[in-house]
Amino acid sequence: AQSVSQHNHHVILSEAASLELGCNYSYGGTVNLFWYVQYPGQHLQLLLKYFSGDPLVKGIKGFEAEFIKSKFSFNLRKPSVQWSDTAEYFCAVTTGGFKTIFGAGTRLFVKA
Amino acid sequence: SQTIHQWPATLVQPVGSPLSLECTVEGTSNPNLYWYRQAAGRGLQLLFYSVGIGQISSEVPQNLSASRPQDRQFILSSKKLLLSDSGFYLCAWRGAGLNEKLFFGSGTQLSVL
Repeated sequence: AQSVSQHNHHVILSEAASLELGCNYSYGGTVNLFWYVQYPGQHLQLLLKYFSGDPLVKGIKGFEAEFIKSKFSFNLRKPSVQWSDTAEYFCAVTTGGFKTIFGAGTRLFVKA
Repeated sequence: SQTIHQWPATLVQPVGSPLSLECTVEGTSNPNLYWYRQAAGRGLQLLFYSVGIGQISSEVPQNLSASRPQDRQFILSSKKLLLSDSGFYLCAWRGAGLNEKLFFGSGTQLSVL
């Protein structure tokens, strides 16, 4: 069965630190990959997505992610986090049948 | 523009009672529709999804069922609620492309007592 694993459940960083959140998926076919973010009290919103082409994709608010097909990974990065990046981050995978599954999420807390 | 409506926002039900949560989408046709349950530390668990009227894919065998009686209507039901059905339920839709993002409803907080 398809699955999505996010390695870190809780991450605490100081402002200006670099961020990398891991995401691995298990599925043998073509996938579309997403990172969503949920700020406190708000709906999930899309950060970035990958479906083809350049495996390094850039999203909103300075986030980027790299798709490494051989590793089944889609890690999220940001060079310098801000206090306002405090949120929960979800990796998601959509397969050919429109099935979309999410990882368990990573809660990021950025200390001012 | 497209909008998604999900209701009710909160619901308190006794064990053994039936459940019906409704989700409707406006401003688009033939959306792909989803029901998720969100729990702390477990992310969004996919419960059901539908690519068309009457087409339901079930991901987790459990006490719940889903139906899509109309193109833009998706209903989550149960005949008899269990305590373990408590949680936060989210409806979502996406367009026809596989690379399109999901749009989420505002959710229903269900408490089964």
